[in-house]
Amino acid sequence: TQLLEQSPQFLSIQEGENLTVYCNSSSVFSSLQWYRQEPGEGPVLLVTVVTGGEVKKLKRLTFQFGDARKDSSLHITAAQTGDTGLYLCERGDDMRFGAGTRLTVKP
Amino acid sequence: NAGVTQTPKFRVLKTGQSMTLLCAQDMNHEYMYWYRQDPGMGLRLIHYSVGEGTTAKGEVPDGYNVSRLKKQNFLLGLESAAPSQTSVYFCASSDPIRWYEQYFGPGTRLTVT
Repeated sequence: TQLLEQSPQFLSIQEGENLTVYCNSSSVFSSLQWYRQEPGEGPVLLVTVVTGGEVKKLKRLTFQFGDARKDSSLHITAAQTGDTGLYLCERGDDMRFGAGTRLTVKP
Repeated sequence: NAGVTQTPKFRVLKTGQSMTLLCAQDMNHEYMYWYRQDPGMGLRLIHYSVGEGTTAKGEVPDGYNVSRLKKQNFLLGLESAAPSQTSVYFCASSDPIRWYEQYFGPGTRLTVT
């Protein structure tokens, strides 16, 4: 079983701070999806990255796919309380999810 | 468009009872999926379907059955519920071209006592 590891597992920060969360695999994968899930709801797709070295921006969120296509990161600039949630990565090849990073942004 | 809907939202079963979870999507997606989510484990794929009348096993299929009689519906059945099946169940759908981009329903919280 090729695991998809996310770090950190929990992150609590103040509003306005920057943060980065990571998603790593021991194997190369063809695509990676990032989702955000709020309590009591299903995951919502944020972005898909498919090309090694690719960088995608979604407002204050920056997603990067590693050159070797084994890892990805999500950077949030000037976090807001509305960014609070569980951030999940999913490997497109086999639809395996990481365990997620639970982010809390405090006012 | 309602997107992906799931019925029921909550359910409590006793060990050995059976039930069916219903998923419906109105996006005309070919692919549909059932996942379970447990604390600290992310989502795990139970079964999936790539079209009407077809189903396939995912990562954790034991104890579950599925049917896809209509394109818009995907049913998940538990024949004899066990406490280990206490979880939150999510249905998702996607189209064949960008099949890896899934749209999720709101989930069903199932407790087996």
